[in-house]
Amino acid sequence: NAGVTQTPKFQVLKTGQSMTLQCAQDMNHNSMYWYRQDPGMGLRLIYYSASEGTTDKGEVPNGYNVSRLNKREFSLRLESAAPSQTSVYFCASRTGTSGIYEQYFGPGTRLTVT
Amino acid sequence: QKEVEQNSGPLSVPEGAIASLNCTYSDRGSQSFFWYRQYSGKSPELIMFIYSNGDKEDGRFTAQLNKASQYVSLLIRDSQPSDSATYLCAVNRAGGGNKLTFGTGTQLKVEL
Repeated sequence: NAGVTQTPKFQVLKTGQSMTLQCAQDMNHNSMYWYRQDPGMGLRLIYYSASEGTTDKGEVPNGYNVSRLNKREFSLRLESAAPSQTSVYFCASRTGTSGIYEQYFGPGTRLTVT
Repeated sequence: QKEVEQNSGPLSVPEGAIASLNCTYSDRGSQSFFWYRQYSGKSPELIMFIYSNGDKEDGRFTAQLNKASQYVSLLIRDSQPSDSATYLCAVNRAGGGNKLTFGTGTQLKVEL
């Protein structure tokens, strides 16, 4: 039982390049989330998927797109990377049961955009 | 006013002492409260959650919730150097649906 996995662990992009961050969970959770974490800013929600087939914007969605590929997988795409997107990206999942809000995090992807 | 506020620290305590970490929140209708521990370079790890007013104990950790005063705290008894980390407070706000709002975290240093 690996929990939440993310690939890649590290990535360096040039401005304007695109890439997709992958996330998968094996806990049969319904809800999945993408966050970014920057020094002094805490964790900020980019997008989330309450259940398979649905996605919604979070606090900082600009410059990102997401796909809930199936119940296990939730990907985050940067279409044209910018230096402001240099950050650590975390994926998280939650069971989705009403009244239970605990989220469990993957190991993160450290992205640098030059 | 930030939705979830924490003192950034660092909070330094000697080994064996009680560490007290505090968090205040602005939305009076918030329902669920979480403490995550994050070691440097690692991902957040859930260590406690509390839904009702009062205290909840789990090993050396105690979460305390006071909804009237809108604060939640985490006490770590018998602090160990391995407890040195950043502690994130998270809140499920009323009307927040499935989302959590995180504070920026308090850095704890446990000194020998």
